[in-house]
Amino acid sequence: RKEVEQDPGPFNVPEGATVAFNCTYSNSASQSFFWYRQDCRKEPKLLMSVYSSGNEDGRFTAQLNRASQYISLLIRDSKLSDSATYLCVVNRGSARQLTFGSGTQLTVLP
Amino acid sequence: EAGVVQSPRYKIIEKKQPVAFWCNPISGHNTLYWYRQNLGQGPELLIRYENEEAVDDSQLPKDRFSAERLKGVDSTLKIQPAELGDSAVYLCASSLEGTSNEKLFFGSGTQLSVL
Repeated sequence: RKEVEQDPGPFNVPEGATVAFNCTYSNSASQSFFWYRQDCRKEPKLLMSVYSSGNEDGRFTAQLNRASQYISLLIRDSKLSDSATYLCVVNRGSARQLTFGSGTQLTVLP
Repeated sequence: EAGVVQSPRYKIIEKKQPVAFWCNPISGHNTLYWYRQNLGQGPELLIRYENEEAVDDSQLPKDRFSAERLKGVDSTLKIQPAELGDSAVYLCASSLEGTSNEKLFFGSGTQLSVL
């Protein structure tokens, strides 16, 4: 089993739609969780950290479920500019090393 | 403020040739990472430096890969000899202190094609 697993997609949604991605992780000792965004042929950039109580940043909401060992990202009112690959990132147990998922590809259609 | 700078942006070589990538992290960032990203996959850590010390190189194929960060600032990653399977994007990243809850800043990467 991979340490971090994501549905690769692609997710093709119309503008204005709400879309959600899930990510599961295998190490129950993991403490740090993130979503990174990667545009085509560009480097990954931090989208948001994921906190235990859940957190929101504009149209983006991230949630953590420790019992089931998954994190989610919800995007409301999708924009064309949201088209990208979304990478789930989890630290490896208590270690500082971060493990990236393979990413979920999102295309927002006009 | 300049971000993480990498060069070259692209590199095409024949198998068995050597190749080197250079990275200059954000000023003041103590921790530097080299990642490899294959098409359709997430970045995979090759090596992590805290200042000039390699603190995690468990994923670095040491038979052909080497890295250095001599003065704790910029870094070089080398492959010798390159194999076809080394074709990938090599990403350098830096962070302030290297704690697990820190934001990573990535460079634009070097896309390597081994023919």
